[in-house]
Amino acid sequence: GAGVSQSPSNKVTEKGKDVELRCDPISGHTALYWYRQSLGQGLEFLIYFQGNSAPDKSGLPSDRFSAERTGGSVSTLTIQRTQQEDSAVYLCASSRARGTETQYFGPGTRLLVL
Amino acid sequence: KQEVTQIPAALSVPEGENLVLNCSFTDSAIYNLQWFRQDPGKGLTSLLLIQSSQREQTSGRLNASLDKSSGRSTLYIAASQPGDSATYLCAVRGGYQKVTFGTGTKLQVIP
Repeated sequence: GAGVSQSPSNKVTEKGKDVELRCDPISGHTALYWYRQSLGQGLEFLIYFQGNSAPDKSGLPSDRFSAERTGGSVSTLTIQRTQQEDSAVYLCASSRARGTETQYFGPGTRLLVL
Repeated sequence: KQEVTQIPAALSVPEGENLVLNCSFTDSAIYNLQWFRQDPGKGLTSLLLIQSSQREQTSGRLNASLDKSSGRSTLYIAASQPGDSATYLCAVRGGYQKVTFGTGTKLQVIP
């Protein structure tokens, strides 16, 4: 597709369940970013990939969060044992290269943990 | 730790007015600064990207400036239109490609 796509668009889950969020970046974009936007809060940087590697994982909120990227394309953000405070919109962005390029955002995944 | 502040938090102006949105950041060691708009329930749309070596960027009615040494950026919107109503976010990119967003300015342009 022409833009960044994310799936699912909405996810409702029960506390304690695991969820997996998917991001398909723009074709050819080597850099990929995950953010979280909680209700009434600003955007929080989670993790950045250059190719398949993530040089800095310190933005992940807890060890229940993990992310991977395979083939330099699709990325998945996994949240284990979800908590109610994990409820947020999870946004993915990609850019052509690291550092200097414009980021293009996907529509986000709205996660609600009951 | 980088902190990004946007003032005002909300702004309401009549159609046709020129306006300025402000973004300030605490750590001047940045690679670039990007301005976005976010419409309710939607993702972010990139408006302008300013590299650390640049002073300003222009796109149509939008002009963004960057003063890295003082930790400030402004987004100037000329001849505002109701379609400009949205939340405007600035984001700075620092070390390890970490991006820090401001809390945004919610703009309402009244017809």
